[in-house]
Amino acid sequence: GAVVSQHPSRVICKSGTSVKIECRSLDFQATTMFWYRQFPKQSLMLMATSNEGSKATYEQGVEKDKFLINHASLTLSTLTVTSAHPEDSSFYICSARTRLSRALGNEQFFGPGTRLTVL
Amino acid sequence: QKEVEQDPGPLSVPEGAIVSLNCTYSNSAFQYFMWYRQYSRKGPELLMYTYSSGNKEDGRFTAQVDKSSKYISLFIRDSQPSDSATYLCAMTDVNAGNNRKLIWGLGTSLAVNP
Repeated sequence: GAVVSQHPSRVICKSGTSVKIECRSLDFQATTMFWYRQFPKQSLMLMATSNEGSKATYEQGVEKDKFLINHASLTLSTLTVTSAHPEDSSFYICSARTRLSRALGNEQFFGPGTRLTVL
Repeated sequence: QKEVEQDPGPLSVPEGAIVSLNCTYSNSAFQYFMWYRQYSRKGPELLMYTYSSGNKEDGRFTAQVDKSSKYISLFIRDSQPSDSATYLCAMTDVNAGNNRKLIWGLGTSLAVNP
């Protein structure tokens, strides 16, 4: 149980285009979803937190107009990187939290990640 | 000063060795402590979690929390090549409500050599 999928797993796009990444909780309802980015050999950097039906809360320094997050249902969140540039190239990972998880609902279940390369 | 400090390594050990991974933190409000394992180009997966101080054992893994020293450890006994991965510590203040988030260490890269 508690499987999170991400699509696509890898995307290469031209500078200036927009890219949408989907994150789905396959067998549970996620009360909260998180979006992270990770550079090579670095830790996870939280970008934003989203609760279903409400606006995402962005971390300091993350442009909300650049990284659009939509959490339309309890099983789906999307991250759209608008007008992507080479510096946006990174590994984007989503995670989901549910009240039914271990650790009193503090555990986050992670997707496999999406590797974005902007040319 | 970062909220969570973790030596990134890399750490290289022979198969069968006991591995000790550590994190220190500065926020005394943290109560839940977790260790995640991340294989290359994959999302992290939860290995162990502990609440407050004490030890917790699960197979070859032992998680230890010393809140008085703000120090947590993960021990791996009889390490195997399949344990080669990056180990990230994470912690949270459970009183922070729905938007509570995990604060992450940098991750320690571990290589277990056969």
